[in-house]
Amino acid sequence: DAGVIQSPRHEVTEMGQEVTLRCKPISGHNSLFWYRQTMMRGLELLIYFNNNVPIDDSGMPEDRFSAKMPNASFSTLKIQPSEPRDSAVYFCASSRIYGYTFGSGTRLTVV
Amino acid sequence: DAKTTQPPSMDCAEGRAANLPCNHSTISGNEYVYWYRQIHSQGPQYIIHGLKNNETNEMASLIITEDRKSSTLILPHATLRDTAVYYCFHPRNQGGKLIFGQGTELSVKP
Repeated sequence: DAGVIQSPRHEVTEMGQEVTLRCKPISGHNSLFWYRQTMMRGLELLIYFNNNVPIDDSGMPEDRFSAKMPNASFSTLKIQPSEPRDSAVYFCASSRIYGYTFGSGTRLTVV
Repeated sequence: DAKTTQPPSMDCAEGRAANLPCNHSTISGNEYVYWYRQIHSQGPQYIIHGLKNNETNEMASLIITEDRKSSTLILPHATLRDTAVYYCFHPRNQGGKLIFGQGTELSVKP
């Protein structure tokens, strides 16, 4: 079991550019979560999917953020256009029934 | 969203037991208590979970009060590598969303 796999591990981009973060959940897990972590706000839930369907996206900060889960083994979080205040660590997690497994995160820096 | 209360920080001497409390007075009868920790810059890591009975695994013990309104995570012999932020939760649905509070920042000191 390789765990939840996120890519890239680090991303540096210029303001205004599109950024795509990727997540591969654990096989057999039917829930997937995207979180953002900053020093000021801690860990915030952005959106979560159940059986590939978005259930709660109330944490998505604004229309610049979008997330998709086209199949059970892949999800993306896209920011377009990116802004410096989007700089944070983004975590993906997956769950089946008991327990949640988190990826190692993507550290995004927007300059 | 399910709310928990934890002290913001605690210190523990290396080799001693660390007892981390959590109040979850709004917990419902079928909701499990989960504990996770986050070591600096890493993703949150599962520690233990339970419903009613006390639980123990290779990492920790979980003591849940009889009324289930609070619990204590016990690290029996804390090491420097246990320095982390510890979070407790009781999600409304198994596999449902986890909302992170501020957690308890545990510092294990030599």
